[in-house]
Amino acid sequence: DSGVTQTPKHLITATGQRVTLRCSPRSGDLSVYWYQQSLDQGLQFLIQYYNGEERAKGNILERFSAQQFPDLHSELNLSSLELGDSALYFCASSVYSSSSPLHFGNGTRLTVT
Amino acid sequence: GENVEQHPSTLSVQEGDSAVIKCTYSDSASNYFPWYKQELGKGPQLIIDIRSNVGEKKDQRIAVTLNKTAKHFSLHITETQPEDSAVYFCATRGDGNKLVFGAGTILRVKS
Repeated sequence: DSGVTQTPKHLITATGQRVTLRCSPRSGDLSVYWYQQSLDQGLQFLIQYYNGEERAKGNILERFSAQQFPDLHSELNLSSLELGDSALYFCASSVYSSSSPLHFGNGTRLTVT
Repeated sequence: GENVEQHPSTLSVQEGDSAVIKCTYSDSASNYFPWYKQELGKGPQLIIDIRSNVGEKKDQRIAVTLNKTAKHFSLHITETQPEDSAVYFCATRGDGNKLVFGAGTILRVKS
């Protein structure tokens, strides 16, 4: 068990809808990362937060947004969902440093129908 | 941007044999090289990592080697067991704090 908690585990929704994925980092970790994993794209970095502030942005669509709250949990919001957004979404956390490892949760599987 | 290539994409070995997975990277600033194991229905789990000032690191049956000059690093698993079957990902981190992942290797250990 990595100590990173993601909810829900599964989410099925229709095109055009909006969903929120939630992540609680490991105790003591200040940084949260979001990754998308699809069969043809592998693990793609979306966005990173550190202690409530956005620190790095990857290939995140404008329809997607995230935030980290004062209690350090994070939410990833996906709106105007398309079929191609179906994927596994992983959250990872770390102590913010250039050499601290990332620890991943077990992901949220999103299916858009 | 940073690019990580991983080979092979699939690897089948007989139980007890060794398995080697190789990755090459493009960013000279990369200084941290972790390996992750992902089992079905779970998130990637860190199994070993190496920093740029070290050429080799070993943890029981798992070892990682790094050649910074050639920009490649490898994962070695000895005496493979059926429970080693999983998808393995290499990754690098350079400037900034994000990890860039390889495409993954499906390892099958046949008993």
